[in-house]
Amino acid sequence: KNEVEQSPQNLTAQEGEFITINCSYSVGISALHWLQQHPGGGIVSLFMLSSGKKKHGRLIATINIQEKHSSLHITASHPRDSAVYICAVRPYYNTDKLIFGTGTRLQVFP
Amino acid sequence: ETGVTQSPTHLIKTRGQQVTLRCSSQSGHNTVSWYQQALGQGPQFIFQYYREEENGRGNFPPRFSGLQFPNYSSELNVNALELDDSALYLCASSWPGTGDNEQFFGPGTRLTVL
Repeated sequence: KNEVEQSPQNLTAQEGEFITINCSYSVGISALHWLQQHPGGGIVSLFMLSSGKKKHGRLIATINIQEKHSSLHITASHPRDSAVYICAVRPYYNTDKLIFGTGTRLQVFP
Repeated sequence: ETGVTQSPTHLIKTRGQQVTLRCSSQSGHNTVSWYQQALGQGPQFIFQYYREEENGRGNFPPRFSGLQFPNYSSELNVNALELDDSALYLCASSWPGTGDNEQFFGPGTRLTVL
């Protein structure tokens, strides 16, 4: 079993829809990252969380440390949001290492 | 402030050959981590270099090796290439002393082994 699991693996949406991507993990962590990867490979860091909730524009990330679960929400989705969204955790046993989920491929259609 | 850069962007090699990939860390960052991302998968941690020393290693064989230079740039070397080494190789730099440890990723090198 992977230490970081994401769901769903694939997601399609119509422009304007509210999107939720989930991440569950099984190790003790010091932080959780949400990352965005566009075709071609470049990875952009969206959020780093250790508790609570963060918001940036139309993106909201929440984390529940007790339940070992995080969600990434996109409000008013847009075709330019189409990308792979990856959850990664920083484990207590090596705080400079990231353990990645396999990603959620999001396609937003006009 | 310059971001993380990697070279080359694409590379094609044949089985058994050796390859060297390069990464220049973001200005001021002294830690570089390397990741392998197979098609359709999340990145997998290969190893990390901190102040020119290996500082942690994932589940990769010894034919994956690395170096970090005094200017904190880094190389990933892979010997005796296998078909399964075909992947996107990502490096990320960070500054562990801040307690923030956010990693900044380069654009990746796509390696194809034929």
